[in-house]
Amino acid sequence: GDSVTQMEGPVTLSEEAFLTINCTYTATGYPSLFWYVQYPGEGLQLLLKATKADDKGSNKGFEATYRKETTSFHLEKGSVQVSDSAVYFCALRGNTPLVFGKGTRLSVIA
Amino acid sequence: GAGVSQSPSNKVTEKGKDVELRCDPISGHTALYWYRQSLGQGLEFLIYFQGNSAPDKSGLPSDRFSAERTGGSVSTLTIQRTQQEDSAVYLCASSPRLAGTPRDTQYFGPGTRLTVL
Repeated sequence: GDSVTQMEGPVTLSEEAFLTINCTYTATGYPSLFWYVQYPGEGLQLLLKATKADDKGSNKGFEATYRKETTSFHLEKGSVQVSDSAVYFCALRGNTPLVFGKGTRLSVIA
Repeated sequence: GAGVSQSPSNKVTEKGKDVELRCDPISGHTALYWYRQSLGQGLEFLIYFQGNSAPDKSGLPSDRFSAERTGGSVSTLTIQRTQQEDSAVYLCASSPRLAGTPRDTQYFGPGTRLTVL
């Protein structure tokens, strides 16, 4: 069945550092890919999405490119802020409801 | 506009009791989903509703779990004879598009934290 694998955390970075959170997937067909973020004490929020190969999703300085050849959707940000501290979930949507990765906790220190 | 709301935000119950969790989706959204977020298990799909079609119950972990959606809007997730392993955050999401199409985007509520003592 469909599955998502993302790098295990926690990830701790200094403010203004470069962020990469790896995500790879297994799916039949052509799924849509998502990154969701969960800030402390809050619910899941959609961060960005891409619906077909080579699409780039972007929001709040975060980017991820749908790479069909490597079945990946890595999340990147050039300069993280303390306010980016949260748990990030990679997810896919094919013919079934969302399938999530286990989440990566990011802590950004000033 | 208003997002997905869930109630209660926290629920503490004793083992063996029944609980009901409520979800109010975004108005006009046709699809509604329940997920469970627990330590060590990540986010698990439980059930989804699409319009008036029969729900997809394939993610429900046991027959103690059930859900209904009245009038195509509000949904209630019921857990009977709760067990300690049911302790988790239960998340509801709604989507404006037909489930089963790759382009739908789900909007999540804040969740209900259930603790079974």
